[in-house]
Amino acid sequence: VQMTQSPSYLAASPGESVSISCKASKSISDNLAWYQEKPGKANNLLIHSGSTLQSGTPSRFSGSGSGTDFTLTIRSLESEDFAVYSCQQYNEYPPTFGGGTKLELK
Amino acid sequence: EVQLVESGGGLVQPGRSLKLSCVASGFTFSNYGMNWIRQAPGKGLEWVAYISSGSSYIYFAETVKGRFTISRDNAKNTLYLQMTSLRSEDTALYYCARQTTVVPYFDYWGQGVMVTVSS
Repeated sequence: VQMTQSPSYLAASPGESVSISCKASKSISDNLAWYQEKPGKANNLLIHSGSTLQSGTPSRFSGSGSGTDFTLTIRSLESEDFAVYSCQQYNEYPPTFGGGTKLELK
Repeated sequence: EVQLVESGGGLVQPGRSLKLSCVASGFTFSNYGMNWIRQAPGKGLEWVAYISSGSSYIYFAETVKGRFTISRDNAKNTLYLQMTSLRSEDTALYYCARQTTVVPYFDYWGQGVMVTVSS
């Protein structure tokens, strides 16, 4: 299953809200996870099952979608949110990831 | 605190072998399936291999099948990735990652170890 994220780069300011899209090449039900990646730090699971926040994920993060189209939304951006975000399907093997979206400070 | 610490990376010539290790702490290692996932420079994440908690189930990506072996030593809380016949396209940051349930999403990751395949 091919996963396509858009945009690849996104510039925003603290306090703004942003959305990242992830599209699957075939239906994956709600078997989608979102991760946050920061240099030198372990990747962080934010959301699984399309919209279920992992324990410890701030409530400003939300996930939506099912089938082939998914969205990660971050409300009221904080400085620690500037990172790379990747989606991953686990509906079938092999698990596959999107190419990542780099969220940069405007 | 869950920790996963990878080691064993480095510069290796094409066609040679390398073995990565991942030492786990902060949880009961023998209860969890584990994975290797890699990221080539400037690319997205690529899942590489999975091993179940008791080593009964093992899966590989097609890109490494037949060249890589995954194993674990539950007594030592350690996951391994034996890589043979290395190619330039295997150059990547290699992560070990814990699988939280039978479904393959990954709730804890290590910080990664770099493998560079070059002559």
